Amino acid sequence: EPEVTQTPSHQVTQMGQEVILRCVPISNHLYFYWYRQILGQKVEFLVSFYNNEISEKSEIFDDQFSVERPDGSNFTLKIRSTKLEDSAMYFCASIRREYNEQFFGPGTRLTVL
Amino acid sequence: DQQVKQNSPSLSVQEGRISILNCDYTNSMFDYFLWYKKYPAEGPTFLISISSIKDKNEDGRFTVFLNKSAKHLSLHIVPSQPGDSAVYFCAARGPNSGGSNYKLTFGKGTLLTVNP
Repeated sequence: EPEVTQTPSHQVTQMGQEVILRCVPISNHLYFYWYRQILGQKVEFLVSFYNNEISEKSEIFDDQFSVERPDGSNFTLKIRSTKLEDSAMYFCASIRREYNEQFFGPGTRLTVL
Repeated sequence: DQQVKQNSPSLSVQEGRISILNCDYTNSMFDYFLWYKKYPAEGPTFLISISSIKDKNEDGRFTVFLNKSAKHLSLHIVPSQPGDSAVYFCAARGPNSGGSNYKLTFGKGTLLTVNP
């Protein structure tokens, strides 16, 4: 069964450093998403991506964040200068238009020290 | 701004009994509702969904009920099994902001524990 994959599973970084979180969505999916979950809180929408552009972003997704689909299979989330409050689980998800269920990856735990 | 609320942070039931997880929402523009199950250190796994034009959807041991007038939905698991122990998230889709976005708004989750 096809699944969304994410790497790395755990990323530790120093405050102010850049990180890139990687996702490989399911191959025939068209819409891609990043969500995050701070420990003990709910899963929050960050950004949606379709047809090689951002279709919507939340207030969390400020100028420090960017997304890219560089090669038709990977979908990346970049945080340019990490802050302590960026520590969270980051989930990638994808969907086909005619189906309504988003499929989530296993997540990347980002720890900013 | 909690548009999707799960007011019970935890629920404990005996194996074989019914588990009922509740969810309330405030935005009448949501058009689709989903339940996800999540184990620690894993991503949310889709469980069952319901369109806003229906009031019930059933899949094996799982049934979701939607009461649009009350802006309330519930997930029933019967019979409950120890393997059902996980965090259950209610999620709502929309409002659609331009035809190409299907973002989900999640509740805070309910930790279900099914005791043998």
